[in-house]
Amino acid sequence: DGGITQSPKYLFRKEGQNVTLSCEQNLNHDAMYWYRQDPGQGLRLIYYSQIVNDFQKGDIAEGYSVSREKKESFPLTVTSAQKNPTAFYLCASSKRTGNQPQHFGDGTRLSIL
Amino acid sequence: DQQVKQNSPSLSVQEGRISILNCDYTNSMFDYFLWYKKYPAEGPTFLISISSIKDKNEDGRFTVFLNKSAKHLSLHIVPSQPGDSAVYFCAASPWVNYGGATNKLIFGTGTLLAVQP
Repeated sequence: DGGITQSPKYLFRKEGQNVTLSCEQNLNHDAMYWYRQDPGQGLRLIYYSQIVNDFQKGDIAEGYSVSREKKESFPLTVTSAQKNPTAFYLCASSKRTGNQPQHFGDGTRLSIL
Repeated sequence: DQQVKQNSPSLSVQEGRISILNCDYTNSMFDYFLWYKKYPAEGPTFLISISSIKDKNEDGRFTVFLNKSAKHLSLHIVPSQPGDSAVYFCAASPWVNYGGATNKLIFGTGTLLAVQP
């Protein structure tokens, strides 16, 4: 079955550490996205990528970094510069042409120890 | 400034009745609208979408209505079932031409729907 896999489901980070969240898709989608969800809020866009080796900042990119070396993979690194990293992180993908719905993975919950 | 607003944090409906979830937007450049359903600790699931050239789109028990002059859309679920209990997000983006830039979705804050048996 095609889908989006995010790992791990739960992740703990010590203060001052970088941590990388994994996102893999086998839907053959060109575009991939990272969102953050905080309690009582909607999803906010961190970074997105339309094609391999290209990505753009979203609305809340500070303290995060990404890479897109393969079509199937779009890892997100939460750096020590992100002052409030505790959140639910969601990865999504979509076709690139025209208006297309984004399809989501099941998320990674990141907590600070 | 919130461009997509879901003013009802929660809604409770009896099984078999209609559920109506509402969403308002402020950006007149929005032309593509979507509804997602989300269970706790899971990712959102795409339900239904509508573009601004239509005012209604149906898919089974789900119908989305768009009122462009009022900048308002709604999701109707008929009949409601207990399994529909979840958080519903509306999202919007400006129109994307074929081959153009990826749509950036703007999400509302969600409405928690509880369908009582």
